[in-house]
Amino acid sequence: EDQVTQSPEALRLQEGESSSLNCSYTVSGLRGLFWYRQDPGKGPEFLFTLYSAGEEKEKERLKATLTKKESFLHITAPKPEDSATYLCAVQAPSGSARQLTFGSGTQLTVLP
Amino acid sequence: SQTIHQWPATLVQPVGSPLSLECTVEGTSNPNLYWYRQAAGRGLQLLFYSVGIGQISSEVPQNLSASRPQDRQFILSSKKLLLSDSGFYLCAWVGGETQYFGPGTRLLVL
Repeated sequence: EDQVTQSPEALRLQEGESSSLNCSYTVSGLRGLFWYRQDPGKGPEFLFTLYSAGEEKEKERLKATLTKKESFLHITAPKPEDSATYLCAVQAPSGSARQLTFGSGTQLTVLP
Repeated sequence: SQTIHQWPATLVQPVGSPLSLECTVEGTSNPNLYWYRQAAGRGLQLLFYSVGIGQISSEVPQNLSASRPQDRQFILSSKKLLLSDSGFYLCAWVGGETQYFGPGTRLLVL
């Protein structure tokens, strides 16, 4: 059974204080690892997809990296508007369904 | 460009009442469609997915059901709501390898 564990559950940072969020996964053949951002009361917003170990993706202050067992979402010099819940999900080969298994998320709060 | 709609945005229903949540996608044809439920402070739980009209797969046994009467329409239903059905319901579609989510429906069962 595919499993995704995110840590920490919650993280409070001062504006400008860089940190990393962790996503550990167990899957039989990774087809893709996805990062989403979710604001309160809204649907998740797609950030990145990573497909193979060693791959990195960047977007503004965010950088996602992938190893064979985990992914990190690095946040450099965060701003209050980066406050959100960050979700990680994995996709295993499963025919045409492209199902995702999600972690419980990391709630990030960036204080001004 | 593709757009996904969900309604209603918020719903308060008594226990035992019926439910119908609707999801529609614009700008694409024959998409894979998904229904998820998100409990407070938790990740997304896949409820149903559909790869085409009339084709529904259920992931979790429950008192909910889903239907896909048209190519870009996905409906989540219940005949009698339970307190445990409260949550945030999200519809998603697949573009390439990525799932894109709608704005969600907040359901409170009292």
